[in-house]
Amino acid sequence: DAGITQSPRYKITETGRQVTLMCHQTWSHSYMFWYRQDLGHGLRLIYYSAAADITDKGEVPDGYVVSRSKTENFPLTLESATRSQTSVYFCASAVSYEQYFGPGTRLTVT
Amino acid sequence: RKEVEQDPGPFNVPEGATVAFNCTYSNSASQSFFWYRQDCRKEPKLLMSVYSSGNEDGRFTAQLNRASQYISLLIRDSKLSDSATYLCVPERDTDKLIFGTGTRLQVFP
Repeated sequence: DAGITQSPRYKITETGRQVTLMCHQTWSHSYMFWYRQDLGHGLRLIYYSAAADITDKGEVPDGYVVSRSKTENFPLTLESATRSQTSVYFCASAVSYEQYFGPGTRLTVT
Repeated sequence: RKEVEQDPGPFNVPEGATVAFNCTYSNSASQSFFWYRQDCRKEPKLLMSVYSSGNEDGRFTAQLNRASQYISLLIRDSKLSDSATYLCVPERDTDKLIFGTGTRLQVFP
């Protein structure tokens, strides 16, 4: 089905572990984004990508790494997870500034 | 000043009511504006895009006042299914949007 998907939908990991969140879109949108959402905060931009092999930092990039070797995929890696990275992570893709979001990944770091 | 300011609510309204949400933004360079709705624990969904003075889509009307840096969303004939958080989202600069915490709407029978 066309759209934007994220996996896993739920993840529990331990402090210090590396974890990768996957994002896949079928629209061939050039732009893709990673956000986190915490209680009391709006969506905060972690990283974004204008095209394959082009990525840039957002507001809160520390502790995260991204790559984009293919237009349709934009994985987000937490290199060494910390409790402060417990959050809901949303991936989005965009056309003409209109962003369309995936269903989110709920990550808990214990 | 915050980049986006909205009354967090909640706005509690009966079915059939008309309700309006206001939003002010600080970036005078913003050209594009969006309203998203977000249901509890779900992803934001694009409700409406505003590129000129306003936009209308069925029961929903958005109005933009660039001089006052103010945008509003009017919902007519509220339905129970309209209960959600409504996010006013201006463009920050090329490619990026500014998300605030939104206004919560609760429609009751």
